[in-house]
Amino acid sequence: RKEVEQDPGPFNVPEGATVAFNCTYSNSASQSFFWYRQDCRKEPKLLMSVYSSGNEDGRFTAQLNRASQYISLLIRDSKLSDSATYLCVVNSLERRFGAGTRLTVKP
Amino acid sequence: DARVTQTPRHKVTEMGQEVTMRCQPILGHNTVFWYRQTMMQGLELLAYFRNRAPLDDSGMPKDRFSAEMPDATLATLKIQPSEPRDSAVYFCASGLVTLTPGLAGGPSTDTQYFGPGTRLTVL
Repeated sequence: RKEVEQDPGPFNVPEGATVAFNCTYSNSASQSFFWYRQDCRKEPKLLMSVYSSGNEDGRFTAQLNRASQYISLLIRDSKLSDSATYLCVVNSLERRFGAGTRLTVKP
Repeated sequence: DARVTQTPRHKVTEMGQEVTMRCQPILGHNTVFWYRQTMMQGLELLAYFRNRAPLDDSGMPKDRFSAEMPDATLATLKIQPSEPRDSAVYFCASGLVTLTPGLAGGPSTDTQYFGPGTRLTVL
């Protein structure tokens, strides 16, 4: 089993839709969690950290479920510009990236 | 706006040649990571350094790859000899690890910032 596993995708959704991604992790000692966004032929960029109590940044909501060992990312009112690959990151000291979930938002 | 820089941005070489990729981490960051990304494997951690010391290079093929940090402003990844299967995008990232007082388990990590990557093609 991989340390970090993500929904395989791809997700194709219309503008305005709500879409959710999950990411499971195997190391129960993991201490920090993040979501990154990667555009085609670009480097990954931090989207948001994931806190134990859950956190929101505009249309994006991240949640952590330690008991079930997964994190989630919810995107509301999706925009064309949200089209990208979303990578979850789980780590102790070194980063373990999920394989990524590709999202395409269509007009 | 501090950024991680990587050179070269693109490299095309022939099998058997040596390839050297360079990375300048963000000033003040104490950790440096090297990743490789391919369509098939996704983002793989090759090696990482903290305070210039290698902490983990288990993801790196030892016979041909080597990673070093000659000083705090430069990290290098070398492939010798290169092979076609090494074709990928190589990312460097830097971050700051700090000790969080009272937190069981030791150090905690700050955000990790990626460089633009080196796109390597080995013919």
